[in-house]
Amino acid sequence: DTEVTQTPKHLVMGMTNKKSLKCEQHMGHRAMYWYKQKAKKPPELMFVYSYEKLSINESVPSRFSPECPNSSLLNLHLHALQPEDSALYLCASSLLGGSPGELFFGEGSRLTVL
Amino acid sequence: AQRVTQPEKLLSVFKGAPVELKCNYSYSGSPELFWYVQYSRQRLQLLLRHISRESIKGFTADLNKGETSFHLKKPFAQEEDSAMYYCALSTDSWGKFQFGAGTQVVVTP
Repeated sequence: DTEVTQTPKHLVMGMTNKKSLKCEQHMGHRAMYWYKQKAKKPPELMFVYSYEKLSINESVPSRFSPECPNSSLLNLHLHALQPEDSALYLCASSLLGGSPGELFFGEGSRLTVL
Repeated sequence: AQRVTQPEKLLSVFKGAPVELKCNYSYSGSPELFWYVQYSRQRLQLLLRHISRESIKGFTADLNKGETSFHLKKPFAQEEDSAMYYCALSTDSWGKFQFGAGTQVVVTP
């Protein structure tokens, strides 16, 4: 299995809802990432997990809460989001080593906040 | 601070014509540079990386440290090359990639 799988593909939520995005990979990668991508913009890094520990948080608001239950799973918990948080959320994974490895991306979860 | 610049938002070329996508970076150390591609309705995927020095789908890119550039080139564009292309810079082994703004390539017959 050489894919990163994200669910759900589409999510619509109100500003008071709590929802979660899920990401899974079975390539043995020990780094997992959340990126946010607005239309016609490049992906922006949000979080990086290395060996199931949060290693990078790019000053993301606390209404986004990442979780890495094990080396294959990555979640992004969403609470009290704003309409401007509507975007495509991409999960990625990579090997960890002495030099940056290739990022393997999922297809993304398209989030709409009403 | 590191930065990746792709000056062209849109590049329209005819099939069979050469295509060059520009990428300039700013980073004081030794960078790792990549080109990622996103075809319509497909996921973002790696096209090539500078350390492998290989040609993928006819594309090549050479790292020029003097000009701090990593331009992507293909001598004869094909319609299936139509996609969004992102230049990316990584400066550590923890996966902190910086993406350029992207260049949309449209190849017309």
